Amino acid sequence: DAGVTQSPTHLIKTRGQQVTLRCSPKSGHDTVSWYQQALGQGPQFIFQYYEEEERQRGNFPDRFSGHQFPNYSSELNVNALLLGDSALYLCASSSRTDSYNSPLHFGNGTRLTVT
Amino acid sequence: AQSVTQPDIHITVSEGASLELRCNYSYGATPYLFWYVQSPGQGLQLLLKYFSGDTLVQGIKGFEAEFKRSQSSFNLRKPSVHWSDAAEYFCARSGGYQKVTFGIGTKLQVIP
Repeated sequence: DAGVTQSPTHLIKTRGQQVTLRCSPKSGHDTVSWYQQALGQGPQFIFQYYEEEERQRGNFPDRFSGHQFPNYSSELNVNALLLGDSALYLCASSSRTDSYNSPLHFGNGTRLTVT
Repeated sequence: AQSVTQPDIHITVSEGASLELRCNYSYGATPYLFWYVQSPGQGLQLLLKYFSGDTLVQGIKGFEAEFKRSQSSFNLRKPSVHWSDAAEYFCARSGGYQKVTFGIGTKLQVIP
C-alpha cells in the first residue's frame, strides 16, 4: 500500500519563475493538505483540498495556488518565486469521512531552492 | 489564534536515559493534539495522538504523552532513549477540518 508520494524530490528555480509540485495521496484518502517548512521551522499550513475545491487556506499570498484532480492527487503552484519561498514543501493526505480529525499522513516532501 | 509552543529547541540525552519533550498549547475547547517525528530529509511520521478520554496516550516506538488540561501541556516521554531516536520532534494541534498547527520543533541529539 503506497503512502503519500511527492515529486520531484528536489528542485532548483530562479527568482521570478513558476513551479509546480505534485502529490499523490495515500490509498483511500480523499483530502490533501500542503505545508511549507522553512529551515529550522515547523510546517506551516498553506491550504487544503477536498472534492477538488480549496476548503481552507493559511496565511499565504495568492502566488500560491493549487488544484485537486478527480483521482484525489494534487498540485501546488507557486508563481513569481521569491528567495523566501525556498523550503521543504510537504503534502499530507487524510480521509475526511474517517473522522473529524483523522491524522495526517505525510510525504517526504519536495525541497525547493530559489536562487 | 491557536498556537503550540515547544520551549526547547535542542535537547541532548545519553543513550539509555529517559526523555521528556515539552509542549504547551494555547487555550481552546477540546484540543486535538499530536506528536510527529521527522528524520533528516524525510516527511513527518505520527507518533501518537490525543482526541479525548484517557489522558495518558501510548504511541509507536515506545513513546507516550500525557495531556494535562490544567497546565495546557502535552509532554512527550520515553523511559529509555535509543540512538535511533535522534530526530526532530514536533508537537501539533488540530483546528477545523484537519488544519494542523505545528510547534517550532525540538531537535533531539542522542550521545553514546
